[in-house]
Amino acid sequence: KAGVTQTPRYLIKTRGQQVTLSCSPISGHRSVSWYQQTPGQGLQFLFEYFSETQRNKGNFPGRFSGRQFSNSRSEMNVSTLELGDSALYLCASSLTSGRVEQFFGPGTRLTVL
Amino acid sequence: GENVEQHPSTLSVQEGDSAVIKCTYSDSASNYFPWYKQELGKGPQLIIDIRSNVGEKKDQRIAVTLNKTAKHFSLHITETQPEDSAVYFCAAPPLSNKLTFGGGTRVLVKP
Repeated sequence: KAGVTQTPRYLIKTRGQQVTLSCSPISGHRSVSWYQQTPGQGLQFLFEYFSETQRNKGNFPGRFSGRQFSNSRSEMNVSTLELGDSALYLCASSLTSGRVEQFFGPGTRLTVL
Repeated sequence: GENVEQHPSTLSVQEGDSAVIKCTYSDSASNYFPWYKQELGKGPQLIIDIRSNVGEKKDQRIAVTLNKTAKHFSLHITETQPEDSAVYFCAAPPLSNKLTFGGGTRVLVKP
């Protein structure tokens, strides 16, 4: 069974731009969660989508948004990029929402210049 | 909200020795505790997890113990090998799939 895939793997943007990251979960998984990983803040939860609905949201500004499609694929968008948005963005897939196993993709490395 | 503390932040062991990483959590509602291993350039990999109705779980050289009363859980790696070198994260989800992670432990296994 294929794992979680994320595209693109690397991105370089400049301040003020916006970016869209994509995540395809494991086949059959309906929940997708997004995390931001930085050396200073560690791994932080952004939001979770299940059945095309946002189920939970972390403490991030409204510039961070996401959505999920009917095939469970998810995208996250960051608008008006700031230097501090440079991070590894990780997507995690699970069968359902709830306290269940989450499987991570390789991440998208975003650099904001 | 949930707060997860992880110790130590770095751990250096000789090949063949054991490694122990400890985490404490604050939210008594948490009842699922996964451990992840992250190698350079990769996403975190789920290596073992435990639920609150179990005190210990083993999978080959890896074991996790849970003390719900004291609100702490530990990862034990026995007979360490160079391929065990990585960063390890503990996590607790007080709510749904919202994992709160510890700060990570960088493990270095010296041959």
